[in-house]
Amino acid sequence: DSGVTQTPKHLITATGQRVTLRCSPRSGDLSVYWYQQSLDQGLQFLIHYYNGEERAKGNILERFSAQQFPDLHSELNLSSLELGDSALYFCASSVARATNTGELFFGEGSRLTVL
Amino acid sequence: GENVEQHPSTLSVQEGDSAVIKCTYSDSASNYFPWYKQELGKRPQLIIDIRSNVGEKKDQRIAVTLNKTAKHFSLHITETQPEDSAVYFCAAIGSARQLTFGSGTQLTVLP
Repeated sequence: DSGVTQTPKHLITATGQRVTLRCSPRSGDLSVYWYQQSLDQGLQFLIHYYNGEERAKGNILERFSAQQFPDLHSELNLSSLELGDSALYFCASSVARATNTGELFFGEGSRLTVL
Repeated sequence: GENVEQHPSTLSVQEGDSAVIKCTYSDSASNYFPWYKQELGKRPQLIIDIRSNVGEKKDQRIAVTLNKTAKHFSLHITETQPEDSAVYFCAAIGSARQLTFGSGTQLTVLP
């Protein structure tokens, strides 16, 4: 158990809908990262928050948004869903502000299926 | 931005043999190179990492080498065991200060 909690574990929805994925980082971790893993694909970086502030954006679509709350949990909002958004969405946390100074601890992921 | 290429995409070895996975990166400013292991249906987990001021690092049966001049780094697993079967991802941190992952290598250790 990494200590990172993601909900829901599985989600099935229809095209055009909107969903929210939630992540609670390890106790004491201030950084939260979101990654997308499509079938047979690697891990695509979406966004990084540190202590409530956005630190960096990767290949995140405009239809997607995220935030980190004062209690450090984070939510990833996916709207106007398309079939191609079906993927496993991972949240990871670390204690460090900079990515290269701490191990990333991944949650178990939220599997999104868009029909 | 950083681009990380990983080879091979699949690798099968006999139990007890060695396995080598290679990655190249594009950003010469990259200074941190972790390797993650992802078992089927599970989350990625860090298995070893190396920083740019070191050429090699070992941890029991796992070693990573780094060639900064050529901008490539490799994962070496010796005396492979069935539980080593998984997808392995290399990653690098470049100027954007974010982890860029390779596309992964599916390692299968045959008994």
